[in-house]
Amino acid sequence: DQQVKQNSPSLSVQEGRISILNCDYTNSMFDYFLWYKKYPAEGPTFLISISSIKDKNEDGRFTVFLNKSAKHLSLHIVPSQPGDSAVYFCAASALFRAGGTSYGKLTFGQGTILTVHP
Amino acid sequence: DAGVTQSPTHLIKTRGQQVTLRCSPKSGHDTVSWYQQALGQGPQFIFQYYEEEERQRGNFPDRFSGHQFPNYSSELNVNALWLGDSALYLCASSLEGAGANVLTFGAGSRLTVL
Repeated sequence: DQQVKQNSPSLSVQEGRISILNCDYTNSMFDYFLWYKKYPAEGPTFLISISSIKDKNEDGRFTVFLNKSAKHLSLHIVPSQPGDSAVYFCAASALFRAGGTSYGKLTFGQGTILTVHP
Repeated sequence: DAGVTQSPTHLIKTRGQQVTLRCSPKSGHDTVSWYQQALGQGPQFIFQYYEEEERQRGNFPDRFSGHQFPNYSSELNVNALWLGDSALYLCASSLEGAGANVLTFGAGSRLTVL
C-alpha cells in the first residue's frame, strides 16, 4: 500500500522556467510534509517542509503548496537552475506523542528525477 | 561540523550471511533512524532508536535488528541475508522535539547480496 505517491518518474525543464513536482497521499493521519533532494552518491538533503495547518510555505526559489482536501502537495522551483537536477522525494509524517515528547517517522514517495537543461 | 557518517560505503555478501552497518549521527542529534532504499524506490522506514531503545519499527522482519550506543551512534544488523535485502541502507539522525521530523541523512551503505 503506497501511502505517498509521486506519479511522475521524471520531469525535464528548461533553465529559468518553473519546475512543478507533484505528490499525493492517502493517509489522513499525515500532518507534516517534507521535500528532500538527492544527488547521486549522496544522502537525501532536506529542502522544505509544511505543516498541515498551512497551505503554503516559501523559501527562496522553493515553494510548497498543500491541498488537504485533495490530499495533494506540490513543490514549485522558480527559476529552475541546472544545479537543481536531482531526484526529489516527497515525504509525510504523522507526529506521534509519547510521554510528552513527539517524533515522526517519514513515509517517502518513489521520487521524481528532475533534469534542468541549460 | 560532520554530518551523518556511515560505514562501510559498499559491501558484498552472500545469501544466509549476516551484516552489520554502522552510523554516527550528526553532532547534537540524539535520535537515529534507519531506512532501506531499493533501486528506483523511495526510502522505507526500518526502525528508530532513541535513548538506546527501539522506539518505532516499520514493516521489516525480525532479521533486522539494531542498537544505539550511549554516544548516540547506531548499528543495523541483518541476519540470514536474502537476495531481496540488496539495497542502499540510509541512516538518518534528528533531534528529539521540534526538529524530530527534519532528518539529516548519511550517504548510505550499498549492500549487494549474491
